Amino acid sequence: QKEVEQNSGPLSVPEGAIASLNCTYSDRVSQSFFWYRQYSGKSPELIMSIYSNGDKEDGRFTAQLNKASQYVSLLIRDSQPSDSATYLCAVGTGGTSYGKLTFGQGTILTVHP
Amino acid sequence: ETGVTQSPTHLIKTRGQQVTLRCSSQSGHNTVSWYQQALGQGPQFIFQYYREEENGRGNFPPRFSGLQFPNYSSELNVNALELDDSALYLCASSPGVGAANSPLHFGNGTRLTVT
Repeated sequence: QKEVEQNSGPLSVPEGAIASLNCTYSDRVSQSFFWYRQYSGKSPELIMSIYSNGDKEDGRFTAQLNKASQYVSLLIRDSQPSDSATYLCAVGTGGTSYGKLTFGQGTILTVHP
Repeated sequence: ETGVTQSPTHLIKTRGQQVTLRCSSQSGHNTVSWYQQALGQGPQFIFQYYREEENGRGNFPPRFSGLQFPNYSSELNVNALELDDSALYLCASSPGVGAANSPLHFGNGTRLTVT
């Protein structure tokens, strides 16, 4: 079983729709959860972080965390063609392993006009 | 702009050679983490350096080694290069192990191609 698993893609949505990206993780002691966006040929860019159960909203992005279910998701409202990228879910355990994040394999999102 | 700079941007090496990648951390950050991202995969943790000491290592062989300098900049060295070492190498700096929940911000990466 993979430590961090993302929903298989690629995911294609029309412009203006909601894109839903999902991620499950296996380590119950995980404390920090991140979503990164990566454009082709570029390095990952942090777009959301979440540490407590519930929802966290930032502009068009909403991250949802459910530690009991070991599940984290990212919703992108009013999707734009510029949102087309690979989205990476990353999980950290904090403490002395602070700099170690475990990433999922990524989900490719395409927003078509 | 994350404040983390990596060099070189691109590099082509031959199998069996050695390579050194460099990372300058963001001002005030004393911890550097290195990741390898193969094509179509998520980044994989190589190791982390905190105050010039290795502080955690992923599942990479000993031919992957590193250094951190007093100014907290860092090097990643890979000996006896293999074709599978071709990847994007990412560096991230952070304020330190005490800042447990601060997210990582990556530099622009070094694209290594081994032929």
